[in-house]
Amino acid sequence: DAKTTQPPSMDCAEGRAANLPCNHSTISGNEYVYWYRQIHSQGPQYIIHGLKNNETNEMASLIITEDRKSSTLILPHATLRDTAVYYCIVRVGTGANNLFFGTGTRLTVIP
Amino acid sequence: DSGVTQTPKHLITATGQRVTLRCSPRSGDLSVYWYQQSLDQGLQFLIQYYNGEERAKGNILERFSAQQFPDLHSELNLSSLELGDSALYFCASRTGVNDGYTFGSGTRLTVV
Repeated sequence: DAKTTQPPSMDCAEGRAANLPCNHSTISGNEYVYWYRQIHSQGPQYIIHGLKNNETNEMASLIITEDRKSSTLILPHATLRDTAVYYCIVRVGTGANNLFFGTGTRLTVIP
Repeated sequence: DSGVTQTPKHLITATGQRVTLRCSPRSGDLSVYWYQQSLDQGLQFLIQYYNGEERAKGNILERFSAQQFPDLHSELNLSSLELGDSALYFCASRTGVNDGYTFGSGTRLTVV
């Protein structure tokens, strides 16, 4: 699986959009980009994933650049409950493979 | 409630002992994944089962073993426990190959 690079920490004001970047310059054509978050020792929570196109769900939007070498997770209106560690993971979609978590970005939403 | 059930939530035991952690995946999910999270290591993949068969191994110690039963629940057995085995142990399941993983709330193991 391709390696990802994320900033170690970010702050965001409550109610504003949180934009979390991820670099994955060695991503292969069949690798998906997944985002998870972990709120203080709880189990990681799946947020969103995508291959090429931008994706949106009830939690967030995922913007993947045209060359697929980077992506941005957008939380449109951050709340205090969004304070967590966010993990960007790239992996092949099929097969018996697994999620390899890096160190992620610790997002702190400030009142 | 994520649908993935892990028991017990907390476990305190002494060094040298053996414990069993249990995981019930979401209804219909055939894959179970085990992860360990200690303070200084982050989330580490241990092992995966699919429909009763071992599919992949990660950084799992020889003192640890797992299995998945016909009803698809899985157990992670940790033996000859050491202080360094103190950690959160998560299991996850998923429905399809392109689906996200759903994690349980974890078992916090403390070895004293």
